[in-house]
Amino acid sequence: NAGVTQTPKFRVLKTGQSMTLLCAQDMNHEYMYWYRQDPGMGLRLIHYSVGEGTTAKGEVPDGYNVSRLKKQNFLLGLESAAPSQTSVYFCASSYSSSGPSGLFFGEGSRLTVL
Amino acid sequence: QQQVKQSPQSLIVQKGGISIINCAYENTAFDYFPWYQQFPGKGPALLIAIRPDVSEKKEGRFTISFNKSAKQFSLHIMDSQPGDSATYFCAASKEYGNKLVFGAGTILRVKS
Repeated sequence: NAGVTQTPKFRVLKTGQSMTLLCAQDMNHEYMYWYRQDPGMGLRLIHYSVGEGTTAKGEVPDGYNVSRLKKQNFLLGLESAAPSQTSVYFCASSYSSSGPSGLFFGEGSRLTVL
Repeated sequence: QQQVKQSPQSLIVQKGGISIINCAYENTAFDYFPWYQQFPGKGPALLIAIRPDVSEKKEGRFTISFNKSAKQFSLHIMDSQPGDSATYFCAASKEYGNKLVFGAGTILRVKS
């Protein structure tokens, strides 16, 4: 019963390097989200998807790209990492909205950009 | 600026006491107000949620109080236990919306 799985869990990058975070869910959820968590800032929505092949910008999308080629996967890319992108990234999914069952979160991916 | 303001940043409560966390919002279009609980090294998990057609919702030791006119809502944890020590986030969205806006979080420590 995996739920939402994020890989990798930890990563250290140098400024300017690129990387991709992978999120996979096995609950057949339509909606998927990427949030970043920073001290004192709560969770801020980066990008989200309302179904396979769709993506949309959230609150803080600059510097990130996403893709949802398969319903179960949602990828977050950093093309040229910056120290300001040091954060803990959380993927989440939901059936159709943030209704009664809410969002199901992964355990997070801690990214450090030097 | 944060659309949902949460206080306090941190809270220490004795075992058996009541923990109270407050949130305020500006956007009157918000109509869904959940609370999430996060343990260290884990992702947040839905704890309890309320819609503005009721003023209070209780689930076990956890209660949400909602004041629509003041645009405020709060989480009360009765008989707080050390196992309740976690970070709590309030959030809000529109129309059971899929874009939750989170507060900054409250770190709760319950002392035994």
